[in-house]
Amino acid sequence: QSALTQPASVSGSPGQSITISCTGTSSDVGGYNYVSWYQQHPGKAPKLMIYDVSNRPSGVSNRFSGSKSGNTASLTISGLQAEDEADYYCSSYTSSSTPYVFGTGTKVTVL
Amino acid sequence: QVQLVQSGAEVKKPGASVKVSCKASGYTFTSYGISWVRQAPGQGLEWMGWISAYNGNTNYAQKLQGRVTMTTDTSTSTAYMELRSLRSDDTAVYYCARYYYDSSGFIEYYFDYWGQGTLVTVSS
Repeated sequence: QSALTQPASVSGSPGQSITISCTGTSSDVGGYNYVSWYQQHPGKAPKLMIYDVSNRPSGVSNRFSGSKSGNTASLTISGLQAEDEADYYCSSYTSSSTPYVFGTGTKVTVL
Repeated sequence: QVQLVQSGAEVKKPGASVKVSCKASGYTFTSYGISWVRQAPGQGLEWMGWISAYNGNTNYAQKLQGRVTMTTDTSTSTAYMELRSLRSDDTAVYYCARYYYDSSGFIEYYFDYWGQGTLVTVSS
């Protein structure tokens, strides 16, 4: 099972919106609504930001939103803030022999 | 509050085994499962496998089959991950993370709480 494909880096200015893509196949992203997104600051454990494609856990800012179209999921961060600078990983359930997979990760830089 | 507290850093020689623990508190241990995720230095997240604390059912990443064993001790609300025949490319931070798995077999495929991570260094 190969990792889901994400852009290596995305950047934006404070207040802007950015979108991170996560491309898989019909065996993972496209086949199930089990896409989640995690934020990871350097030296810290990942933090759940979005689950089941578009749901936000309690306490996560509504500036974070998720969506999916076909085999590609997306995470949008609106009103970009300095604290959003981090690595972001998507993940999905898969129907393969390895039933869970993470994306390659995207480094978000706030200019 | 939900907490997952992992054991401390380990240094192992190639070919040895390591066993990392993850002690849970603040929730009903057997209503959830524990997954293990690792991250090599400067690299991304890699899913290793998971175990239901309700019935002990496990599922491991294919690349680790035969080298990894995940267990739980419900009397102490602790999960364990043992990795054998260690190689240099097993050097990583190992995380435990919680996912919902109830007695009916219903599973939520996301990880809402994570441990602080355990650095395992494999070096001769």
